[in-house]
Amino acid sequence: ETGVTQSPTHLIKTRGQQVTLRCSSQSGHNTVSWYQQALGQGPQFIFQYYREEENGRGNFPPRFSGLQFPNYSSELNVNALELDDSALYLCASGEGARNSPLHFGNGTRLTVT
Amino acid sequence: RKEVEQDPGPFNVPEGATVAFNCTYSNSASQSFFWYRQDCRKEPKLLMSVYSSGNEDGRFTAQLNRASQYISLLIRDSKLSDSATYLCVVNKGTGGFKTIFGAGTRLFVKA
Repeated sequence: ETGVTQSPTHLIKTRGQQVTLRCSSQSGHNTVSWYQQALGQGPQFIFQYYREEENGRGNFPPRFSGLQFPNYSSELNVNALELDDSALYLCASGEGARNSPLHFGNGTRLTVT
Repeated sequence: RKEVEQDPGPFNVPEGATVAFNCTYSNSASQSFFWYRQDCRKEPKLLMSVYSSGNEDGRFTAQLNRASQYISLLIRDSKLSDSATYLCVVNKGTGGFKTIFGAGTRLFVKA
């Protein structure tokens, strides 16, 4: 069984740039969700995709957008990067649209300078 | 008020101690509940789901009280390897699906 994989593991960007983070879901999972985790805080829900459609969103501005592909892999795109976007970005996959336990990838650490 | 609140911690306990973590949630429409464990600089990992009937997995016992909107985790006979941050997680399905994490409670188990 292949777990959740994320790429890249680390990334440094400049304020104002755009970034794309990628995630491959665990085999058999059709739900993917993304989280932002600042140092010392719990993960903050960005959004969830189920069967290629967004079915839930947290309190993040529209410059945070995503996609889920037919093979259930996913992308998180962030436009117009701000210094406060520096964080660990976690992807998680699960079975079904709601209420299933999450299986997390190792995360992408984004630094915005 | 935060949607999910946990004990701020950290908790420092000796090996063999029993430790209890508390968590409250504000939205009565919340549908499912979990405890996750996160080691330093690692991803969160599912510890256990939480049910109203209570559930136990070895040294770990979780309980949900829907009337009080309260979730608990009890760890008996603490081991050094239990040192981690414990995250309370609530799924809310009305008005758009959301997964809400608490800020986490850090546990240090000492020899």
